[in-house]
Amino acid sequence: NFMLTQPHSVSESPGKTVTISCTRSSGSIASNYVQWYQQRPGSSPTTVIYEDNQRPSGVPDRFSGSIDSSSNSASLTISGLKTEDEADYYCQSYDSSNWVFGGGTKLTVL
Amino acid sequence: EVQLVESGGGLVQPGGSLRLSCAASGFTFSSYWMSWVRQAPGKGLEWVANIKQDGSEKYYVDSVKGRFTISRDNAKNSLYLQMNSLRAEDTAVYYCARIGSSGWYRVDYWGQGTLVTVSS
Repeated sequence: NFMLTQPHSVSESPGKTVTISCTRSSGSIASNYVQWYQQRPGSSPTTVIYEDNQRPSGVPDRFSGSIDSSSNSASLTISGLKTEDEADYYCQSYDSSNWVFGGGTKLTVL
Repeated sequence: EVQLVESGGGLVQPGGSLRLSCAASGFTFSSYWMSWVRQAPGKGLEWVANIKQDGSEKYYVDSVKGRFTISRDNAKNSLYLQMNSLRAEDTAVYYCARIGSSGWYRVDYWGQGTLVTVSS
């Protein structure tokens, strides 16, 4: 099995842009789709990005996803930060029969 | 509106058993893979198990294999997780999740979760 490694925390000011990385330990990041979930305190997770770079309806286009094969990582970028974006963010991918979540990144908007 | 409502959580002693249920509504339950994902207090998300639409395929994280069983009753629009030989490290909020229709690899809807506490 592989692991997905995320930074423990990131912080940025309102209106700025932040990028959260998710590095796959083995196997190609491009081989399996990556999803990103947002979890606000006390709430269930919700999907903000699926299939590497697709946004569900209702998710603002301030959220974008990408993958970089050279670093074997995926990234979630949030532009025009708002205080409501403060949350934990988890990447998730899979292999032939298992799912793996990253450890999560706490985003602070201050 | 898609709704997933978990029940069955509670306090159980180490070595004990518990059965979680998830009542699904607002969609054709029998057409979707389903999943259980857990979150220990103050920790991150951990995938537990997935089940195919007709129950013919089931997958588990290594740490629960042989102890947990995922199942479903399409006639009752319900998903289950039978948990045996529970350990302290199984303490978590357990989320029922619908897997997206585009493939078996992602969640598109989450329940509100039910808390399982394993302690003496």
